[in-house]
Amino acid sequence: DVKVTQSSRYLVKRTGEKVFLECVQDMDHENMFWYRQDPGLGLRLIYFSYDVKMKEKGDIPEGYSVSREKKERFSLILESASTNQTSMYLCATSSSAEIYGYTFGSGTRLTVV
Amino acid sequence: QKEVEQNSGPLSVPEGAIASLNCTYSDRGSQSFFWYRQYSGKSPELIMSIYSNGDKEDGRFTAQLNKASQYVSLLIRDSQPSDSATYLCAVNSGNTPLVFGKGTRLSVIA
Repeated sequence: DVKVTQSSRYLVKRTGEKVFLECVQDMDHENMFWYRQDPGLGLRLIYFSYDVKMKEKGDIPEGYSVSREKKERFSLILESASTNQTSMYLCATSSSAEIYGYTFGSGTRLTVV
Repeated sequence: QKEVEQNSGPLSVPEGAIASLNCTYSDRGSQSFFWYRQYSGKSPELIMSIYSNGDKEDGRFTAQLNKASQYVSLLIRDSQPSDSATYLCAVNSGNTPLVFGKGTRLSVIA
């Protein structure tokens, strides 16, 4: 089974801080994704990557950036955290064919105060 | 804009009954369809996938796909309180990320 590990389960940061959320997968999957999930809004795609050094904007990239220097690691960066970025952040991975769906990490509950 | 629509619920069913969860999608070229279960405070977990018209059964779960009507459903037989969760429908249309519905909250009453 694919294991997708997110570095923190709960995180509290101050407004204006630079925040790094890390995601590591151990099954050599090409594709990696970052979502945020808020009540009533469902899963919203922030950024995704189909290969090392490659990144694509999702539906809500504003205020975020990403880094993928190695195949197994995909980092989400909040350049200057704001209270409206308080959310559950979910990392997901899939093989290149995507026909088997995505595997999600356990999520990071980020609170910005 | 590709869309996946689900009734938000809550859908309440008594223990032992059949729960029927429905999903419609806008992109007629969609090829792969998935159902995820998400318990409160947890991440989504893949429970079913379906790729061709008809039914696919796995234990108490049956996924049904009708591409002509752009409709996919999930049936849960002999519903248990442990099935109480939010169920997300997701659709793949090729070389683009999955499109997720907002989910249907299911409550199984003992």
